[in-house]
Amino acid sequence: EAGVTQFPSHSVIEKGQTVTLRCDPISGHDNLYWYRRVMGKEIKFLLHFVKESKQDESGMPNNRFLAERTGGTYSTLKVQPAELEDSGVYFCASSQEFIREGGYTFGSGTRLTVV
Amino acid sequence: AQSVTQPDIHITVSEGASLELRCNYSYGATPYLFWYVQSPGQGLQLLLKYFSGDTLVQGIKGFEAEFKRSQSSFNLRKPSVHWSDAAEYFCAVGARQAGTALIFGKGTTLSVSS
Repeated sequence: EAGVTQFPSHSVIEKGQTVTLRCDPISGHDNLYWYRRVMGKEIKFLLHFVKESKQDESGMPNNRFLAERTGGTYSTLKVQPAELEDSGVYFCASSQEFIREGGYTFGSGTRLTVV
Repeated sequence: AQSVTQPDIHITVSEGASLELRCNYSYGATPYLFWYVQSPGQGLQLLLKYFSGDTLVQGIKGFEAEFKRSQSSFNLRKPSVHWSDAAEYFCAVGARQAGTALIFGKGTTLSVSS
C-alpha cells in the first residue's frame, strides 16, 4: 500500500510569489489533514478534510492560505502571496478509521523556504 | 489551554545506554497519546500510542511508553539505544474522537554518541 505522498519535497520561492503544495493521501482515506512546523516551533494543525469538505479549518493562519480537495482525493495547499514567516515544513496526513488504525499516517512533508 | 510540553530540546545518549524522553500534557480530559519520530529526510513515523487499557504500551523499534494519569505524563523509554535511533521525537495528544486535530510538543532531538 502506498503511503501519503507529498509534492514537492522542497520549494524555495521569493516573498510575494505563489506556491502550491500537493498531498496524495492513502487510497480510500476520507480524512486528510494539513499540519505545519515553523522552525523552532511545534507542529501545528492547519485543517481537516472529510472527503472534499472542510471539516475543521481553525488552524489556517490567514486568508493567504487556500486548501482544496477536489473530488475527495488529493489535496492542494496554496500560499498566495507567500511571506517570510510561511517558511517551514508542511505535513499532510490521512486516515480512514482513526481508532482502528491507531491514528494518522503522515507524509514526508514539504519544506518551504520563502526568501 | 491544551498543550504538550517536552522539556528537553536536545539529549545526547551513549550507544547502548538507556533513554527516557519526557512528555507532559495539559488537556481537559484524558486524551489519546502518541509518540512520533522523524528521522532526517523522512516523514513522521508513529512509534506507539495509548488509547486505553494497560498504561505501559509497547511500540516499534523497542520503544515503550508509560501513561501516568496523576502526573499527566507519557514518557518514552528504550532500554538500550542504537545509533540509528538518532532522530527527532514528538509527543502528541488528541481528543477521544475520530478526526481530532493533534497537539504536538516542540520535539526532542536525540543524538547518539559512540
